Amino acid sequence: TQLLEQSPQFLSIQEGENLTVYCNSSSVFSSLQWYRQEPGEGPVLLVTVVTGGEVKKLKRLTFQFGDARKDSSLHITAAQPGDTGLYLCAGPGNDYKLSFGAGTTVTVRA
Amino acid sequence: KAGVTQTPRYLIKTRGQQVTLSCSPISGHRSVSWYQQTPGQGLQFLFEYFSETQRNKGNFPGRFSGRQFSNSRSEMNVSTLELGDSALYLCASSLLAGGPTLQETQYFGPGTRLLVL
Repeated sequence: TQLLEQSPQFLSIQEGENLTVYCNSSSVFSSLQWYRQEPGEGPVLLVTVVTGGEVKKLKRLTFQFGDARKDSSLHITAAQPGDTGLYLCAGPGNDYKLSFGAGTTVTVRA
Repeated sequence: KAGVTQTPRYLIKTRGQQVTLSCSPISGHRSVSWYQQTPGQGLQFLFEYFSETQRNKGNFPGRFSGRQFSNSRSEMNVSTLELGDSALYLCASSLLAGGPTLQETQYFGPGTRLLVL
């Protein structure tokens, strides 16, 4: 089983501040995904990164896939209360099963 | 296009009972995956169905089972419920089955929150 470790577990910041969430593994992943889950809802896919070293931007969110494809980060610039949620990274194992990290709970205070 | 729907949204059962949860995928999607989400273990893969066949299974006991119908709707069943089965059960659908790379986007439903007393 390929494990994904996310850090930090919890993050509470003021509106307008920046934040970075990390997803690390000792295994190589062919690709990684980032999801955001809000209370009472299922996870919603934000991005899929495929190429080592790839950087993708989604408005104020920047996603990076490590060169060795073992880690990824999510950076949010000028966070807003609407960014509050549980951020999950996920990657496919050799057995095609999708593995999720434990998630980072982000709270942006107004 | 309607999203993934799950019924019921909330359920309370007692130990020893059995429960059936239902998932209706997005129209045209043929793959349905089920996940269990708990505060302690996070999101864990239960099983995936594609064209009525179980294609993959996670590390859960045989008490957890599922099936998919010809219209792609899926059900999962948990027999002899235990307190530890209390969780949010999520269903996700995609056009095609999962593979070694994430080529297919999964769309998650809102989940069924199961409480076992």
